[in-house]
Amino acid sequence: EPEVTQTPSHQVTQMGQEVILRCVPISNHLYFYWYRQILGQKVEFLVSFYNNEISEKSEIFDDQFSVERPDGSNFTLKIRSTKLEDSAMYFCATCPGTLQETQYFGPGTRLLVL
Amino acid sequence: DQQVKQNSPSLSVQEGRISILNCDYTNSMFDYFLWYKKYPAEGPTFLISISSIKDKNEDGRFTVFLNKSAKHLSLHIVPSQPGDSAVYFCAASANGGATNKLIFGTGTLLAVQP
Repeated sequence: EPEVTQTPSHQVTQMGQEVILRCVPISNHLYFYWYRQILGQKVEFLVSFYNNEISEKSEIFDDQFSVERPDGSNFTLKIRSTKLEDSAMYFCATCPGTLQETQYFGPGTRLLVL
Repeated sequence: DQQVKQNSPSLSVQEGRISILNCDYTNSMFDYFLWYKKYPAEGPTFLISISSIKDKNEDGRFTVFLNKSAKHLSLHIVPSQPGDSAVYFCAASANGGATNKLIFGTGTLLAVQP
């Protein structure tokens, strides 16, 4: 069964450094999302992406965050200057494309900012 | 912002018995609901979903019930198995949004005792 994959599985970085989290969506899925889960808290929506542009973003997704599909397959989340509070599990999710369809999640990247 | 609530942080059930996990929501625009299962350090795994035009959806041992007037849904697992032990998240989306972002509850930790 096709799966969403994410790399790296773990990332440790210093505050102020840039990180790029990568996701390979399920083939032929058209909608892509990033969510995050801070330890002990609920899973939160960050951003959605369709047709090579952002569809919607949350308040969390400020100017330090960006997303792109650089090569038409990978879907990346960049954090330009990490803060301690960016430490979380980051999940990529993808959806086939019609409304009311299921989002399938990747295994996540655990980001630790020191 | 508690649009989706899971008021029971944990539930313990004997193997073979029924597990009932509950979820309440406040946003009347939600019209698609999903249950995900999550193990530690893994991404959410889709279990079952229901559209607001239905009041019940069944898939094997899993049944989701939706009571729109009460803004309440529940997940029934029958019979419960030790492998069902995990955190269960309820999630909701509003079709009117262009992106189908999911709003998650805080999760219920299910422990199925052998």
